[in-house]
Amino acid sequence: DTGVSQNPRHKITKRGQNVTFRCDPISEHNRLYWYRQTLGQGPEFLTYFQNEAQLEKSRLLSDRFSAERPKGSFSTLEIQRTEQGDSAMYLCASSLGSAGGQETQYFGPGTRLLVL
Amino acid sequence: KQEVTQIPAALSVPEGENLVLNCSFTDSAIYNLQWFRQDPGKGLTSLLLIQSSQREQTSGRLNASLDKSSGRSTLYIAASQPGDSATYLCAVITISGGYNKLIFGAGTRLAVHP
Repeated sequence: DTGVSQNPRHKITKRGQNVTFRCDPISEHNRLYWYRQTLGQGPEFLTYFQNEAQLEKSRLLSDRFSAERPKGSFSTLEIQRTEQGDSAMYLCASSLGSAGGQETQYFGPGTRLLVL
Repeated sequence: KQEVTQIPAALSVPEGENLVLNCSFTDSAIYNLQWFRQDPGKGLTSLLLIQSSQREQTSGRLNASLDKSSGRSTLYIAASQPGDSATYLCAVITISGGYNKLIFGAGTRLAVHP
């Protein structure tokens, strides 16, 4: 068990470019979450996967954002046509959950995005 | 809509002091409450999770209490050390669509100086 990993750890891009982040959850964790954290704030929920199915998306997730979790393993979060307001830390978490039961989310180190 | 507030936003203390960090939430219908630690530029480390049926949890020098009816939780840090310097986040947990939904406060930035 090596924990949740995220790549890259840092990304600097110019406004209008597309970026993609990757999250590798703890093996055998069936649930995967993406959060966004802006400076001085707590993380905010973006989206949630149960295995390969994306079951919920926040209103924060505009149509420029897309997330996938093929084969229910790693996940990618893509931001198209980045804007300066997208600058934030993007955190991934995974858990082993069952319907309505208690679960513990384990967080990765995050990807810090800066849009110039 | 659930809102989570943490007070104070920042705290600077000398080493050795006992500290109380506060977290309040507007909707008492929560499943659990969890306290996290975040070092600068890093991810979140879980410190304590309090189930809704519990009133407190302890781990080493940390003690967290929960009063659901008043919508409050406190994190008590005994005999603070410089290594405790970090941001402390509380998150209320509800069950939404079959999964645990975490709603975070903005955190308390703690600096413990020697």
